[in-house]
Amino acid sequence: GAVVSQHPSRVICKSGTSVKIECRSLDFQATTMFWYRQFPKKSLMLMATSNEGSKATYEQGVEKDKFLINHASLTLSTLTVTSAHPEDSSFYICSARDHQGIYAFFGQGTRLTVV
Amino acid sequence: AQTVTQSQPEMSVQEAETVTLSCTYDTSESDYYLFWYKQPPSRQMILVIRQEAYKQQNATENRFSVNFQKAAKSFSLKISDSQLGDAAMYFCAYRSASNDMRFGAGTRLTVKP
Repeated sequence: GAVVSQHPSRVICKSGTSVKIECRSLDFQATTMFWYRQFPKKSLMLMATSNEGSKATYEQGVEKDKFLINHASLTLSTLTVTSAHPEDSSFYICSARDHQGIYAFFGQGTRLTVV
Repeated sequence: AQTVTQSQPEMSVQEAETVTLSCTYDTSESDYYLFWYKQPPSRQMILVIRQEAYKQQNATENRFSVNFQKAAKSFSLKISDSQLGDAAMYFCAYRSASNDMRFGAGTRLTVKP
């Protein structure tokens, strides 16, 4: 099956710094990528949808200036958490789908800890 | 907006027995997809089974099958001959024609040896 690689798997950063998370589709072209946030023992909450070459669409309540998403190529989308604070600590998961795909393939997730 | 409801926060099953996980959803669309994903402790999301709304036949993947009741907006997952490796969080998901996917709150399945 299709492979989606997410990097890094874990990151610890200081409060006030920015962190970039990468999501790559390794064997297919992902026209659409999704970013989710998952709190402990909770479900996945969709943060934003990004389409290659266009601006991301953010869900209500998600600060677009806080969570910068770039989908500059058909195989790479990045999520940058800017000026991170401890409340941004969470598990972030990306998924990707090609233009014909019915379902999305998920990355391994990134555990972000802001200290 | 579409919503997905999983009313069972936790379920338990004896190894080799059968268990059914419930899922209901709310939508006004006629064209959509439904999925069950498994999330083990590694937190990697694994697709278990999918169902296209336009198909009347229930999807089946080996020990996993669904009971899709479109009129009732119900999409339950049946796991037969449960194995220890089936223990995980299970999420029901809905994907609309507009491409975004919504997840239920999840059901934690425990398999007892």
